[in-house]
Amino acid sequence: GAVVSQHPSWVICKSGTSVKIECRSLDFQATTMFWYRQFPKQSLMLMATSNEGSKATYEQGVEKDKFLINHASLTLSTLTVTSAHPEDSSFYICSLSDTSYNEQFFGPGTRLTVL
Amino acid sequence: EDKVVQSPLSLVVHEGDTVTLNCSYEVTNFRSLLWYKQEKKAPTFLFMLTSSGIEKKSGRLSSILDKKELFSILNITATQTGDSAVYLCAVANFGNEKLTFGTGTRLTIIP
Repeated sequence: GAVVSQHPSWVICKSGTSVKIECRSLDFQATTMFWYRQFPKQSLMLMATSNEGSKATYEQGVEKDKFLINHASLTLSTLTVTSAHPEDSSFYICSLSDTSYNEQFFGPGTRLTVL
Repeated sequence: EDKVVQSPLSLVVHEGDTVTLNCSYEVTNFRSLLWYKQEKKAPTFLFMLTSSGIEKKSGRLSSILDKKELFSILNITATQTGDSAVYLCAVANFGNEKLTFGTGTRLTIIP
């Protein structure tokens, strides 16, 4: 399967600051990427779907102006949490989809803690 | 709205026992059902099921799908402490690539 990396693996920031999380496909070109959020002891919740070269599609209840997604190339997608607050503390995971959509490959996740 | 329900929510067994995890779903235009294992980080892929009645097997793990009754089971035989994890079930539908995840089953294996 595809190899997906995320950076950073963990980040601690002060309330009100912005944090950028990168998701990279290391060995294939990903036309579609997904961003998930997972709170402690809960399942993965899809935040948004991004397609290379176009705007992301956000799930209901996810603020697009707060969670900025950029999918500028076939190997990189970024999620920026703007003006982060403690309630944004979570585990953020990206995944990549191949063109046949048969399987998604997950990154190792980024744990965000907002103080 | 697509829905995936897993049961039990948590399960504690002794090493060597056999466990069965359940996943039921309601989804429009069903394409596939996937099982993942999640330890401390991101989920790792176990199985993808698209056809009813065909068992998929990998070592001590096996899974089967019933598209008529809309459920799947994941079996783990001769459990080991390394099997302790959260097992997630997800469904995909045609028309979009999104996965809808269940809440997961937290499996704990006692030595």
